[in-house]
Amino acid sequence: QKEVEQNSGPLSVPEGAIASLNCTYSDRVSQSFFWYRQYSGKSPELIMSIYSNGDKEDGRFTAQLNKASQYVSLLIRDSQPSDSATYLCAVNTGGFKTIFGAGTRLFVKA
Amino acid sequence: DAGVIQSPRHEVTEMGQEVTLRCKPISGHDYLFWYRQTMMRGLELLIYFNNNVPIDDSGMPEDRFSAKMPNASFSTLKIQPSEPRDSAVYFCASSQTGTGAFFGQGTRLTVV
Repeated sequence: QKEVEQNSGPLSVPEGAIASLNCTYSDRVSQSFFWYRQYSGKSPELIMSIYSNGDKEDGRFTAQLNKASQYVSLLIRDSQPSDSATYLCAVNTGGFKTIFGAGTRLFVKA
Repeated sequence: DAGVIQSPRHEVTEMGQEVTLRCKPISGHDYLFWYRQTMMRGLELLIYFNNNVPIDDSGMPEDRFSAKMPNASFSTLKIQPSEPRDSAVYFCASSQTGTGAFFGQGTRLTVV
């Protein structure tokens, strides 16, 4: 079992819709969770951090964490074509070792 | 701060040659990570340091790979000898304890 799992997609949504990206992790002691956005040919960019159960909102982005289910999600409201990218879920396991999922490719159609 | 700085941005080398990748982390960050990204394997953690000390190098693929962090502002990843299968984008990232990491621009390595 991979430590961090994501659906590779691609996920295609129309402009203005809500994009929902999901991630599961295997290490129950994980305490810190992150979402990164990576455009083709660029480096990953940190967009959201979440550390406790529940929702965290930042502009059009909402991260959701459920430690009991070992599940993290990212919602993007009012999706724009500029949101088209690969979204990487990352988890800090014991000792602050940061492990990434394979990423979900998102396409937002104008 | 200029962010995480990596050099070179691109490296083309012949099989068997030594390759050295360099990284300057963000000032004040106490963690430094080296990752490798390929289409097949995604973003793989190779090694990470805390306060200049290597903590976990279990991701280093072979003894041909080595990494050092002689001080808080500099780290190197060395491959000797290089092989075509080492071709990938290598990222350096740094963070403060428990927070998300910030990535450098990456070094695209091609071994022919």
